[in-house]
Amino acid sequence: IAGITQAPTSQILAAGRRMTLRCTQDMRHNAMYWYRQDLGLGLRLIHYSNTAGTTGKGEVPDGYSVSRANTDDFPLTLASAVPSQTSVYFCASSEFLSGTGKDTQYFGPGTRLTVL
Amino acid sequence: AQKITQTQPGMFVQEKEAVTLDCTYDTSDPSYGLFWYKQPSSGEMIFLIYQGSYDQQNATEGRYSLNFQKARKSANLVISASQLGDSAMYFCAMREGRTNTDKLIFGTGTRLQVFP
Repeated sequence: IAGITQAPTSQILAAGRRMTLRCTQDMRHNAMYWYRQDLGLGLRLIHYSNTAGTTGKGEVPDGYSVSRANTDDFPLTLASAVPSQTSVYFCASSEFLSGTGKDTQYFGPGTRLTVL
Repeated sequence: AQKITQTQPGMFVQEKEAVTLDCTYDTSDPSYGLFWYKQPSSGEMIFLIYQGSYDQQNATEGRYSLNFQKARKSANLVISASQLGDSAMYFCAMREGRTNTDKLIFGTGTRLQVFP
């Protein structure tokens, strides 16, 4: 079944540890995104990538880094986790065909991260 | 200033009745897209409906319709004939054309509860 997979499903992490959240899509979408979801704040964009080899900062990029070595994978790394990074993380992708209008984003199942 | 505002933290509706979830947006970009997503208790984000800023007609997808009032900058979601399975969080989101990405700006969501 085509779609987006994320790993791990959930994780408890000690503060100061490094953590990489994995995201893989098989829809050959150009663009990929990382959001975090916090109660009362909706989803906020962390980083994005319009195409393989390029990345950009979103609304809340501090403490996170991403890479886009190929079309399918878009890992999110927390170099030194802090408790405020406790959240649910969603990866998403879209075709990103400028001018076509309906570039719907499709979301992965999410990763629940707790930093203690 | 909030770019997407959902003023209803929670809504109740009886099964088989229609319900309107409010969304207002703020942008000076003439080209934008508006999206609604559903997030059930299982956590996944499910795309429901899309409205482009240049679309002449309101979008419809099955029991979902979008009441798009451009002058008022509102994009309310109407769910007709509510079902128990419609109980979920609903998020309104906007994509601005000038950003040259598909990144979405989300509202804080409305929790809908459908009762028998």
